[in-house]
Amino acid sequence: GAVVSQHPSRVICKSGTSVKIECRSLDFQATTMFWYRQFPKQSLMLMATSNEGSKATYEQGVEKDKFLINHASLTLSTLTVTSAHPEDSSFYICSASSFQPYEQYFGPGTRLTVT
Amino acid sequence: AQSVAQPEDQVNVAEGNPLTVKCTYSVSGNPYLFWYVQYPNRGLQFLLKYITGDNLVKGSYGFEAEFNKSQTSFHLKKPSALVSDSALYFCAVRDGAGNNRKLIWGLGTSLAVNP
Repeated sequence: GAVVSQHPSRVICKSGTSVKIECRSLDFQATTMFWYRQFPKQSLMLMATSNEGSKATYEQGVEKDKFLINHASLTLSTLTVTSAHPEDSSFYICSASSFQPYEQYFGPGTRLTVT
Repeated sequence: AQSVAQPEDQVNVAEGNPLTVKCTYSVSGNPYLFWYVQYPNRGLQFLLKYITGDNLVKGSYGFEAEFNKSQTSFHLKKPSALVSDSALYFCAVRDGAGNNRKLIWGLGTSLAVNP
């Protein structure tokens, strides 16, 4: 149980275009989803927290107009990187949790490369 | 302020030997503590958690961790390491008193198990 999928696993896009990443909880209802960014050999950086049906809460320093998050249902959240630039290239990981159990379950991640 | 420290960037251990990956934390209320493992280019996998109850928690793949309130520690252990345990390990904490499910993450410890 507690499977989270992410799509796509890898994406290469040109500078200036937008990219959408989907995160789905496959076998449970995720009241809260989290989006992280991870740089090589570094820890996770939380970008935002989204609750189903509410606006996402962004961490300090994360541009909400650049990283659009939608959590329209209890099983789906999307992250759209708008007007992507090479510095947005990174490994993006989502996680999902419900009220109980308390742990977050992670998707396999999306490797974004902006050329 | 809430924080997590993983004092070792890297831990090296010989296959068959016991391993310990250290974690200390600071929260204002009761800690909810978690360990996750990350294999290369993958998302994170949940290993174990401490919420309440027995201080010794057993998790996946033969790992266990001991909650020590006086030392504010939650070290990850395994009696006999396998080469396949080589990965990046993250400790995380949240304040159990609040409704905020955001986790505070350690910087990660790279475990290398040598054959």
